Amino acid sequence: EDQVTQSPEALRLQEGESSSLNCSYTVSGLRGLFWYRQDPGKGPEFLFTLYSAGEEKEKERLKATLTKKESFLHITAPKPEDSATYLCAVQPDNYGQNFVFGPGTRLSVLP
Amino acid sequence: ETGVTQTPRHLVMGMTNKKSLKCEQHLGHNAMYWYKQSAKKPLELMFVYSLEERVENNSVPSRFSPECPNSSHLFLHLHTLQPEDSALYLCASSHRDRWYRGINEKLFFGSGTQLSVL
Repeated sequence: EDQVTQSPEALRLQEGESSSLNCSYTVSGLRGLFWYRQDPGKGPEFLFTLYSAGEEKEKERLKATLTKKESFLHITAPKPEDSATYLCAVQPDNYGQNFVFGPGTRLSVLP
Repeated sequence: ETGVTQTPRHLVMGMTNKKSLKCEQHLGHNAMYWYKQSAKKPLELMFVYSLEERVENNSVPSRFSPECPNSSHLFLHLHTLQPEDSALYLCASSHRDRWYRGINEKLFFGSGTQLSVL
């Protein structure tokens, strides 16, 4: 069964304190791995897509990496406006073009 | 107006009521989705309309009924809901490749309808 887990469930950082979020997945075959950001009261907003092991994508203070079993979202020198829930989703080979989402990591960055 | 819009933003209904959620996308996409988001649980795919074909998740109770009159509009009709159906209901759209060549297109989400069933 295709499965996505994320850790930690919640993370509190001081402004400027870098850290990483983890997304581990078990799928028969991976078409792509997606990262989304969700602010309270809003729908998820797309951040990155990764397709193959070794691939990296960057956007401002965020950097996403991918291995054959997991992905990391690295946050460098975070600011309070980076506070949000970060969702990971995979698109398995055997699920049409649908997505399997993880439960998310709730990030709080304190000033 | 751009993106994916959902109405209403908030809905409180009794267990015997009938209501509908509406979603509209202005992105020219050919697939639309309903997702359910409950606290501390992953997004659950409820329904997909893709290339004018409805793909159902068989585990969705019949008290949820989707309708997709065209590629830009999506409805979720609700009747005789249960308190455990209280959740955030998210609509999304994307572009799907007709021939399933594995082209991955990201989802664009609306802001959701926060549903409370009393």
